[in-house]
Parts: sequence; C-alpha cells; structure tokens
Amino acid sequence: GQNIDQPTEMTATEGAIVQINCTYQTSGFNGLFWYQQHAGEAPTFLSYNVLDGLEEKGRFSSFLSRSKGYSYLLLKELQMKDSASYLCAVLDSNYQLIWGAGTKLIIKP
Amino acid sequence: GAVVSQHPSWVICKSGTSVKIECRSLDFQATTMFWYRQFPKQSLMLMATSNEGSKATYEQGVEKDKFLINHASLTLSTLTVTSAHPEDSSFYICSARVPDREYEQYFGPGTRLTVT
Repeated sequence: GQNIDQPTEMTATEGAIVQINCTYQTSGFNGLFWYQQHAGEAPTFLSYNVLDGLEEKGRFSSFLSRSKGYSYLLLKELQMKDSASYLCAVLDSNYQLIWGAGTKLIIKP
Repeated sequence: GAVVSQHPSWVICKSGTSVKIECRSLDFQATTMFWYRQFPKQSLMLMATSNEGSKATYEQGVEKDKFLINHASLTLSTLTVTSAHPEDSSFYICSARVPDREYEQYFGPGTRLTVT
C-alpha cells in the first residue's frame, strides 16, 4: 500500500528553526509537495521537489532524497503566523496526490 | 498564480436535503479537477477525480450516487451531496490541475458543510 508518515505535532519557539520530516512509500514517484494549511482554510502550496537535494525559498527550504523515501521542510526565523498544519504529499505514478496526515506546528513566543 | 474559487464558502442544510458546491478555475482551463473531503484534525481524503466531458472517477468507499459530480465545462465542476446526513458534515475542497502540467494543482478555498 501507499503510505506517508510525518509527526503529528511539533512545538517550536518564535525566531527558532524547525525541521518537519516526511517519509513515504508510494507506487511511483512524480514529485513531493509541501503545503501549509491554517485551520479552516484550504492548503496553500509551499514547495515541490522532484530531484534530490535542497530547494530554498526564503525562510522555507525543502529537501528530498528519493533513494531514502525521505523529505523534510525546514522553517527558519519562525513567526507566530507560521503556526499551522504542514502537509506532505507525493504525486504517484498516476499523477494522484497521496497525502500525509499533516504535522501541526505550534509556535510559542 | 492560478486561481480556483468555490461557492458557497459555507452552508448549513437540513438532513435529507441536497447541496451543490461549485468549483471554478478563474484564469485557466482545467481538464481535470479533484474533490477532497477533510474531517477535523485529519488530512485531505480524495473523493473523486473529475474530467471534463466524462464521468468522474470515484475513490473506493465513496458513493457515486450520493456525491454527484458534474464537470460541465473546462472551468466548472460541481459536487452535489444528495440526501445529506449529519455525518456528511465536513470541509470539502476542490483543486484544479493545469493542463499538461500534472504536478501543478491549485486549491479552492474550501466549503464548510454542516448538516443539521
């Protein structure tokens, strides 16, 4: 079966750095996405990785290792508005998104 | 970036009635749209894939006679929840795929359905 694992909840301090991990086992791979979702809202796109390595975009970076079935989202200089759920999703061989359960990130002052 | 809208953003209906939710791609034509459902504190669950001009493909366990999907044009897909029950109360989200770019999906803002 297809499976995506990420921690249920993480807590970090404002101004700090946090890394959210995601491991996956899917039938085929056409890329991995990270989305941010605030409570009661739809997901918003953060990043897309299809090749191994680190993609940096401002305060957010995403890393992918296809051989390990592993990705992480790195958030720097945390702000209170970063409190949200972060969803890892993999595009499988049929170009369907397989979703992780999401990681709820709590930022404390 | 591409914009997807949903209407209504929230709706309350009585048990046994039907509710229609619209999903529109505003600045691009979407041959494929997806309908998701999300229960509180859970991840998105794909309900069906909607292709313009053809029947929707439903995921296992989703009743096609209860959740009617019509992709009438390249910019509009509708989801009708028929004979709604309280357990259908959920957050329904659509997304639209950019043609010839399978990795690009844009999400609508979601519709909060409450069945009383």
